[in-house]
Amino acid sequence: QVKLQESGPGLVKPWETLSLTCGVSGGSITNNYWSWIRQSPGKGLEWIGYIHDSGNTESYYRQSTTYNPSLESRATISVDRSKNQVFLKLTSLSGADTATYFCARLVDAFDVWGQGSMVVVSS
Amino acid sequence: EIVLTQSPGTLSLSPGERATLSCRASQSVHHFLAWYQQTPGQAPRLLIYDASNRAAGVPPRFSGSGSGTDFTLTISSLEPEDFAVYYCQQRSNRYTFGQGTKLEMK
Repeated sequence: QVKLQESGPGLVKPWETLSLTCGVSGGSITNNYWSWIRQSPGKGLEWIGYIHDSGNTESYYRQSTTYNPSLESRATISVDRSKNQVFLKLTSLSGADTATYFCARLVDAFDVWGQGSMVVVSS
Repeated sequence: EIVLTQSPGTLSLSPGERATLSCRASQSVHHFLAWYQQTPGQAPRLLIYDASNRAAGVPPRFSGSGSGTDFTLTISSLEPEDFAVYYCQQRSNRYTFGQGTKLEMK
């Protein structure tokens, strides 16, 4: 079955950019929706966004993304089909971005989750 | 943004009892509501999707009901492993989660 594994830096300084990777095993990146979700004590579970890779070879039609409006200006989700990986970049970090970050497959709901990557924003 | 409000915040029950958890949406989400279970240190686990459909491998003691703005998760007879935090989540307009209900052992 599909398994997800997040990896990331653990500690990031304020104003820097967070880069997280989600490795997908047991299934294909293409024709699926992949989401990033974070969880913090203060804000609970918060959906960040998702990406869909259609597998189309035409670059214009290949991938589509949708983001939480509250994070849209700072978040970018992408995939590397050859490595079966999903990425999250989040810019201009502050303490409010301290959280555990999960990647998840989105079907009718978030049906498969990674174990999470804890990120602390601190100088 | 659609706000989901869960009640109660904490529910204290004993194994074998019936648990009823509530989720209310700030506007109609039709049937596009899911329930998750989370134990300490673990990722959320999908239990119910589209209000009443059990996810693969979820025991039949878990059931979901409701539509529009009011939804219920029922656990018919609590097992020790059911004591956890439960979240609802809507997909009618983007995706938002409730704040959670902690189900604790009395």
